[in-house]
Amino acid sequence: QKEVEQDPGPLSVPEGAIVSLNCTYSNSAFQYFMWYRQYSRKGPELLMYTYSSGNKEDGRFTAQVDKSSKYISLFIRDSQPSDSATYLCAMTYGNQFYFGTGTSLTVIP
Amino acid sequence: SQTIHQWPATLVQPVGSPLSLECTVEGTSNPNLYWYRQAAGRGLQLLFYSVGIGQISSEVPQNLSASRPQDRQFILSSKKLLLSDSGFYLCAWRAVAGARYEQYFGPGTRLTVT
Repeated sequence: QKEVEQDPGPLSVPEGAIVSLNCTYSNSAFQYFMWYRQYSRKGPELLMYTYSSGNKEDGRFTAQVDKSSKYISLFIRDSQPSDSATYLCAMTYGNQFYFGTGTSLTVIP
Repeated sequence: SQTIHQWPATLVQPVGSPLSLECTVEGTSNPNLYWYRQAAGRGLQLLFYSVGIGQISSEVPQNLSASRPQDRQFILSSKKLLLSDSGFYLCAWRAVAGARYEQYFGPGTRLTVT
């Protein structure tokens, strides 16, 4: 069993839609939960992070963590064509980072 | 501000040839450094990480090796490339004294082994 599971998609939505991206994990010791955005042929960039269970909002993005269910989500409101990218969830334990396989998102104008 | 460099950006190498990818970080001291490989549908696979000069931890036994000859320099090497070594190689750094969630990636090297 992988430590972090993420639906690879691909996901295709019309502009303005609400997007929901999800990951599950198995290690209850994970400390921080992050979402990275990766454009084609580029390195991933940190989008959001959370530490505790609950919601964290940043503009059109909301990160949600449910530690009891070992489940994290990223919601994108009013999605834009510029949001088209691969989104990777990630978690930390000690010095190491554990990544999901990424979900490919396309927002259609 | 901190920046991370990787080169080359693209590389095409024949099977059995050697490999050397370099990563350097500017604007920080004693960072944790990481090498990842990203293959289609497999996400980011941690290959090596380093907490200091000469200190390398290997996560995946294979024909690759890593070295950290200087504080902000991380090198990924191979003596003989395999077809399966093809992929997108990413270097990343994390500040030891910084927030534990902050990891920053370089632009990557796309390696094709033919």
